[in-house]
Amino acid sequence: DQQVKQNSPSLSVQEGRISILNCDYTNSMFDYFLWYKKYPAEGPTFLISISSIKDKNEDGRFTVFLNKSAKHLSLHIVPSQPGDSAVYFCAASASGNQFYFGTGTSLTVIP
Amino acid sequence: NAGVMQNPRHLVRRRGQEARLRCSPMKGHSHVYWYRQLPEEGLKFMVYLQKENIIDESGMPKERFSAEFPKEGPSILRIQQVVRGDSAAYFCASSRDRGKTQYFGPGTRLLVL
Repeated sequence: DQQVKQNSPSLSVQEGRISILNCDYTNSMFDYFLWYKKYPAEGPTFLISISSIKDKNEDGRFTVFLNKSAKHLSLHIVPSQPGDSAVYFCAASASGNQFYFGTGTSLTVIP
Repeated sequence: NAGVMQNPRHLVRRRGQEARLRCSPMKGHSHVYWYRQLPEEGLKFMVYLQKENIIDESGMPKERFSAEFPKEGPSILRIQQVVRGDSAAYFCASSRDRGKTQYFGPGTRLLVL
């Protein structure tokens, strides 16, 4: 049972434009969400998080939006840079014991 | 300011051998999580440990797999009698408190021949 879904396996964006990565979840008990970035042969790197009491969190070029009623969150990267090319995972937690990860979206930023 | 450390980075084992994966959490972190990533898949939770205690092992196979996080030393994920299907990347993460942001190590890539 995939409780966190990233339905777009890949995304290509021109440098300087906005990248929007989407994530849907099914468990209404999830109260903490994170985005990670992963390069090949490396561990995931934490990017940004949001708790369910907020609907937006911003950190530099990265903004995460949470729509609880739709059980949907998104990561906006603007402006996109070639170094942003990586696989992005969203993750969610209810009790804090474990995080459920999506299958990832591979972002390619074209110079 | 060392991050999460895992060793070895790569491990090759023949079927039936044992694999031991080590994880040293970030300084000040007492919560450790193990995840497995199979090819073309996302990360799957295996086990959550605090010092000397297993908090949640719901994602760990019932047989052949075990984990510990002793009072002193790294956390160990142990796989006995490995099979080809155990080939995967195993990631360890640590956090300061339960439910807080988890920081990942570089992973151990296990290949079973």
